[in-house]
Amino acid sequence: AQKVTQAQTEISVVEKEDVTLDCVYETRDTTYYLFWYKQPPSGELVFLIRRNSFDEQNEISGRYSWNFQKSTSSFNFTITASQVVDSAVYFCALTRWFQGAQKLVFGQGTRLTINP
Amino acid sequence: EAQVTQNPRYLITVTGKKLTVTCSQNMNHEYMSWYRQDPGLGLRQIYYSMNVEVTDKGDVPEGYKVSRKEKRNFPLILESPSPNQTSLYFCASSLSGPNTEAFFGQGTRLTVV
Repeated sequence: AQKVTQAQTEISVVEKEDVTLDCVYETRDTTYYLFWYKQPPSGELVFLIRRNSFDEQNEISGRYSWNFQKSTSSFNFTITASQVVDSAVYFCALTRWFQGAQKLVFGQGTRLTINP
Repeated sequence: EAQVTQNPRYLITVTGKKLTVTCSQNMNHEYMSWYRQDPGLGLRQIYYSMNVEVTDKGDVPEGYKVSRKEKRNFPLILESPSPNQTSLYFCASSLSGPNTEAFFGQGTRLTVV
């Protein structure tokens, strides 16, 4: 079975601190894809990043960076110099392609609060 | 503008009164799905559709129906809503393929009393 675990239910930090959101996944597939989505207070889901199982390169986009480690089945997300606008619920998700259908499995989400 | 549009955004209804939440996308995506979001559980897939007239159950399909008569529309139907269907619902669409980004609607907050 596929599963995504975000063990941190809530994180609260002061602005400008660095913060890492953990994501651990389980899958038996050799080919799979990992995603991070952001859900700001307005409620919509915003795509942040996609990573496939063959690409273990870390990625940096501005203040955001992602660390994918197949050996530990983790896909962690770090925000450097956090800002109040980063306050949101963040979801890690795993997808597979099975019999022509895409299946997204989400973690429970981590609520991040950045205090001024 | 590429988007997925859900209506209504908010809905309060009574137990047993049939309702439909509409979902429409303008990106010509083949794949559409419905999720519900509950605290501590993340998002769980209700139903999905790979193309017109092709639908299948997700992880939590009980109490829901869907249809896909046109490519752009994928309504979610609750024939007899119950309080345990109180939730935040999202419609999503994407191109076919496992590595494609899913585009989500704004969400529909449903309360069944």
